[in-house]
Amino acid sequence: DAGITQSPRHKVTETGTPVTLRCHQTENHRYMYWYRQDPGHGLRLIHYSYGVKDTDKGEVSDGYSVSRSKTEDFLLTLESATSSQTSVYFCAISWTSGAYNEQFFGPGTRLTVL
Amino acid sequence: GQQLNQSPQSMFIQEGEDVSMNCTSSSIFNTWLWYKQDPGEGPVLLIALYKAGELTSNGRLTAQFGITRKDSFLNISASIPSDVGIYFCAGQLPGSNYKLTFGKGTLLTVNP
Repeated sequence: DAGITQSPRHKVTETGTPVTLRCHQTENHRYMYWYRQDPGHGLRLIHYSYGVKDTDKGEVSDGYSVSRSKTEDFLLTLESATSSQTSVYFCAISWTSGAYNEQFFGPGTRLTVL
Repeated sequence: GQQLNQSPQSMFIQEGEDVSMNCTSSSIFNTWLWYKQDPGEGPVLLIALYKAGELTSNGRLTAQFGITRKDSFLNISASIPSDVGIYFCAGQLPGSNYKLTFGKGTLLTVNP
């Protein structure tokens, strides 16, 4: 299994509070991704990174920001959490892009916004 | 955005039976990936396919990249209770360097 950890694994927070989720990898993979998983929607890409300090938006990026200051860490921040951001968040990594983009997922963070 | 139609949505089978599920799209894909997700865990990559017509096995699992490049299927032979979980397909569109398109999953239940 790819060495990917996510923290925290569970979090309950209140509407309007900032939240930061962390993804840490030990595989030295260049590409990192944040997804959310919701019933009826499957996995949807929030943001991704193609290198240190290089990030871009995915399909559901509104209300989220990311940062990557080191190869091994990719942070997802909800600036002001809303109930619609209650979800399970997964980090993924891949060693390449293009046609061989095999993505490996972390264990997930379950976030509840009250 | 692009969609992958994954079917069936759920399956209830007896231990020992074979299982087949598939993903179809109106778009051509360069890559097909199959994942399995256990409750409370992240998806685990089972099989990756890169060429049209490619047939790849991983133990009791066999997956194929459709000739038209618009579909893929996954077969599980002689199912066992630990096969229970949600199976996802994912595809990569031409020119989409980073983005995978995911199906909504097939929930598999195996009765011992």
